[in-house]
Amino acid sequence: QSVLTQPPSVSGAPGQTITISCTGNRSNLGTGYDVHWYQQVPGIAPKLLIYHNTNRPSGVPDRFSGSRSGTSASLAITGLQAEDEADYYCQSYDGDLSRWVFGEGTKLTVL
Amino acid sequence: QITLKESGPTLVKPTQTLTLTCTLSAFPQNTRQMGVGWIRQPPGKALEWLAVIYGDGYKLYSPSLKRRLTITRDTSENQVVLTMANMDPVETATYFCVHGRTNSGYFQIFFDYWGQGSLVTVSS
Repeated sequence: QSVLTQPPSVSGAPGQTITISCTGNRSNLGTGYDVHWYQQVPGIAPKLLIYHNTNRPSGVPDRFSGSRSGTSASLAITGLQAEDEADYYCQSYDGDLSRWVFGEGTKLTVL
Repeated sequence: QITLKESGPTLVKPTQTLTLTCTLSAFPQNTRQMGVGWIRQPPGKALEWLAVIYGDGYKLYSPSLKRRLTITRDTSENQVVLTMANMDPVETATYFCVHGRTNSGYFQIFFDYWGQGSLVTVSS
């Protein structure tokens, strides 16, 4: 069980907006460690989507956005597309565990 | 754009030592704001960070695995090597080599480039 909690699954129809939450605690997000997000299509290596809470690498569509407040963070995807169907992971550093941690992942299904 | 490629055995026996090599197209600068690390993912499960070596040579290991892990680098060959001793069948996973960087403190590192991954099966 990870110290970063994500919903196991979310779903949405094409064109809709979905959000994926990542809930931490005082030893990771609550301490001020940043959250980063990754997208993983099954069978392929993860891809960086959001870094330092809100920043998008070049090439990532602006349909993807990140936010963070206190011990929680969220990834929002607007204008959902079939190609967005994948697993999404949040990542941060945990001061108590002294290591980088990932959430358990959220499977996004595009209906 | 940085490319990374993992190489190593696909099968190791229990109690053996796993050695994985990552070859990069460009090596991180001599700074603690860039580094190369290893992350693994058991089939159908989440990602787990293992180790990182920064551009200035500083190393960090997952505390629960620290006694079994060694990460080294050969800057002349643009390679980073991970060894993991005493492998167990539950450690069957895809092992990813990753390039990391941060725009702030070195604990804020994120992983911007990933290798394709190397599936390692631990079985007798």
